Amino acid sequence: NAGVMQNPRHLVRRRGQEARLRCSPMKGHSHVYWYRQLPEEGLKFMVYLQKENIIDESGMPKERFSAEFPKEGPSILRIQQVVRGDSAAYFCASSPPSPGQGRFLAKNIQYFGAGTRLSVL
Amino acid sequence: QQPVQSPQAVILREGEDAVINCSSSKALYSVHWYRQKHGEAPVFLMILLKGGEQKGHEKISASFNEKKQQSSLYLTASQLSYSGTYFCGTYTSGTYKYIFGTGTRLKVLA
Repeated sequence: NAGVMQNPRHLVRRRGQEARLRCSPMKGHSHVYWYRQLPEEGLKFMVYLQKENIIDESGMPKERFSAEFPKEGPSILRIQQVVRGDSAAYFCASSPPSPGQGRFLAKNIQYFGAGTRLSVL
Repeated sequence: QQPVQSPQAVILREGEDAVINCSSSKALYSVHWYRQKHGEAPVFLMILLKGGEQKGHEKISASFNEKKQQSSLYLTASQLSYSGTYFCGTYTSGTYKYIFGTGTRLKVLA
């Protein structure tokens, strides 16, 4: 959906460098999901955030990966000391807030940005 | 835990029909269907909230059998533009986590 903005669209990093991926949600949406998609695979949940709060980071690798969604500005997915295995497409999606988890989220539709394709040399 | 889709891949000629199935081992509160074209973002197609619900979008429709924890996507009189990978998706019970199905690659030939 054109309303969710991700940048950059393509990012090339050498092993050991840091990658910063940005996501601005649709107007009126206060929640952001991040997903990783390896070549020829499906999207895998990484983290769910609202402004100034990480709600669920159960899909995030334990090391080198972090995410934030500050009060002002876009959500940032940060990958430190990148390795070749980090090469993937990273998508964010935004959604309206939900009153709770599980069944309370059932109606929430996520709208995706165009993704950032990270290549690690 | 990831919903399993079948078939994994299907090739059609324009005008032919296809059915894509999504089956979960866990209870489903809702099912969402997305289509993703190569190199692009997933695009939301439809949401099914209740068992027995059926929805339609142009010549694409879907059903949701809550008891069987299954959903099916029906593509009628397929067009070239239907080519892509179709994913079902759902929120995980008791969490905020969202999981996509294994995906079905659909290719429509002229």
